[in-house]
Amino acid sequence: DAGITQSPRHKVTETGTPVTLRCHQTENHRYMYWYRQDPGHGLRLIHYSYGVKDTDKGEVSDGYSVSRSKTEDFLLTLESATSSQTSVYFCAISESQVESRYFGPGTRLTVT
Amino acid sequence: GESVGLHLPTLSVQEGDNSIINCAYSNSASDYFIWYKQESGKGPQFIIDIRSNMDKRQGQRVTVLLNKTVKHLSLQIAATQPGDSAVYFCAESGSSNTGKLIFGQGTTLQVKP
Repeated sequence: DAGITQSPRHKVTETGTPVTLRCHQTENHRYMYWYRQDPGHGLRLIHYSYGVKDTDKGEVSDGYSVSRSKTEDFLLTLESATSSQTSVYFCAISESQVESRYFGPGTRLTVT
Repeated sequence: GESVGLHLPTLSVQEGDNSIINCAYSNSASDYFIWYKQESGKGPQFIIDIRSNMDKRQGQRVTVLLNKTVKHLSLQIAATQPGDSAVYFCAESGSSNTGKLIFGQGTTLQVKP
């Protein structure tokens, strides 16, 4: 998984609680991404980062925030989890925007 | 709108045969394409990529063909093995310059022993 770890790997949480997912890379890549994967939708971009403290929204950013205080770490926070955020979340990295994304192992999140 | 689609949701092949997985894209401005493999419970794994200035690119047992005239991308896997069983999906760069890839939903490849 290209030097990418995600934690936790599995989480069950209740509606309305905040949740933070962590992505850690050892590749020193500039770009980091958070995607969600749902049946019938493929991979959809939530947020991405193009440097420390530099982030931007993706196509499904509502209800999510991100932070990147170090090159190697990218955090995804669900401010108040809802059942519609039950999904598998993947972190990805790339050296540049025009290069392939390399994905982490994923976090399966269930919101009850 | 932009879309990346796959012709077949499931492809079943005999072990040792060659596999061909197809992908149609709608944006003629896309200049970068990637194929990924995703095994159950794992993250997508990069297989091979191709830029629009090429028609063909080969890797180890895999070949990607790009037909810009009909906006079609294919992945050929030679001598398919049981370990090739997975979901395969393509991605395109789209028309924007933000580098936001557009992903297809995938084709399941089943390899019969």
